[in-house]
Amino acid sequence: QKEVEQDPGPLSVPEGAIVSLNCTYSNSAFQYFMWYRQYSRKGPELLMYTYSSGNKEDGRFTAQVDKSSKYISLFIRDSQPSDSATYLCAMSARATSGTYKYIFGTGTRLKVLA
Amino acid sequence: GAGVSQSPSNKVTEKGKDVELRCDPISGHTALYWYRQSLGQGLEFLIYFQGNSAPDKSGLPSDRFSAERTGGSVSTLTIQRTQQEDSAVYLCASTGGLSTDTQYFGPGTRLTVL
Repeated sequence: QKEVEQDPGPLSVPEGAIVSLNCTYSNSAFQYFMWYRQYSRKGPELLMYTYSSGNKEDGRFTAQVDKSSKYISLFIRDSQPSDSATYLCAMSARATSGTYKYIFGTGTRLKVLA
Repeated sequence: GAGVSQSPSNKVTEKGKDVELRCDPISGHTALYWYRQSLGQGLEFLIYFQGNSAPDKSGLPSDRFSAERTGGSVSTLTIQRTQQEDSAVYLCASTGGLSTDTQYFGPGTRLTVL
């Protein structure tokens, strides 16, 4: 079993739809939860970063973390064609050596149709 | 510079040749990570540098892979005797500043081994 599971998609939605992207994880040591957006042939770009369970909102984006269920979500409201990209979830924990270990999901490819 | 830069952006090489990939992290960032991203796969951790500490090399797939970070800044990832399965996008990320747990990625180097 992978430490982080993410549906690879692709996910196609009409413009204006609400998009829900999800990841599950198995390691309860993860402390930090991130969502990255990656456009084709570009590096991942940090979208949202959360530490605790609950919701965090930034414009049209809401990140949700449920540590008890080991489940995180990213919601995109009023989706736009410019949101078409691959969305990667990521989680990190500090190892005993002091290193920060980051584990990434495989990414969900999203296409928003105009 | 304002962000993480990587060079070259694309590299095509023949099987058996050595390649060097370069990463310039964000100025002042103390930690630097190398990842490999293959089609349909998540980001695979390769190596981590933190300040003057010994690097975490636990993700390097074989002894053909090595990396250096000179002066706590620029890093070079070297792949010796390249194989076709080394073809991937190699991404560099740095962390530091006010939010040490978030990673900022470069655009990546797309390596193709013929």
